Amino acid sequence: KAGVTQTPRYLIKTRGQQVTLSCSPISGHRSVSWYQQTPGQGLQFLFEYFSETQRNKGNFPGRFSGRQFSNSRSEMNVSTLELGDSALYLCASSLEPGPETQYFGPGTRLLVL
Amino acid sequence: DQQVKQNSPSLSVQEGRISILNCDYTNSMFDYFLWYKKYPAEGPTFLISISSIKDKNEDGRFTVFLNKSAKHLSLHIVPSQPGDSAVYFCAAPYSNAGNMLTFGGGTRLMVKP
Repeated sequence: KAGVTQTPRYLIKTRGQQVTLSCSPISGHRSVSWYQQTPGQGLQFLFEYFSETQRNKGNFPGRFSGRQFSNSRSEMNVSTLELGDSALYLCASSLEPGPETQYFGPGTRLLVL
Repeated sequence: DQQVKQNSPSLSVQEGRISILNCDYTNSMFDYFLWYKKYPAEGPTFLISISSIKDKNEDGRFTVFLNKSAKHLSLHIVPSQPGDSAVYFCAAPYSNAGNMLTFGGGTRLMVKP
């Protein structure tokens, strides 16, 4: 069974630009969550989608948004990039809600210059 | 404000000895805790969990202890193996619905042969 895939794996952007990251969950999984990992703040929850609906949202500014498609694939978008947005962005999918059943992807490393 | 904290950023242990990783939390509403392991260039993988109705949960070489009065949990790895070298995160779900987790900052474990 293929795992969670995230594209691209690495990305370099400049301040003020916008970026879209993609996550393909494990086949059949309907829940997709996004996390940001930085050296200073650790792993922080961004949002969770389940059956195309945002179910939970973390404490991030409105520049961070996401969506989920009918095939459960998810995208997250960051507009007006700031230097502090440089991070590893992790996506996790699960069949049903339940942290134990979450499988994480390898992440997309974003560098904002 | 971090509600889950891991105060030791790193730990070095000799192969075959016990590794003890600690985690403290401030929110007494948390009733479920998880430990994840993360290798470089990979997403975190679920390791073991514990419900607040228990004070111990064991899975092979891994045991998690929960002290609710002290708001403290620990992960014991016995015996430690070089393959256990990774970053370990403790986490707690914010809510009963969904996969919204708050993570500690992580502890890097190095098991020396």
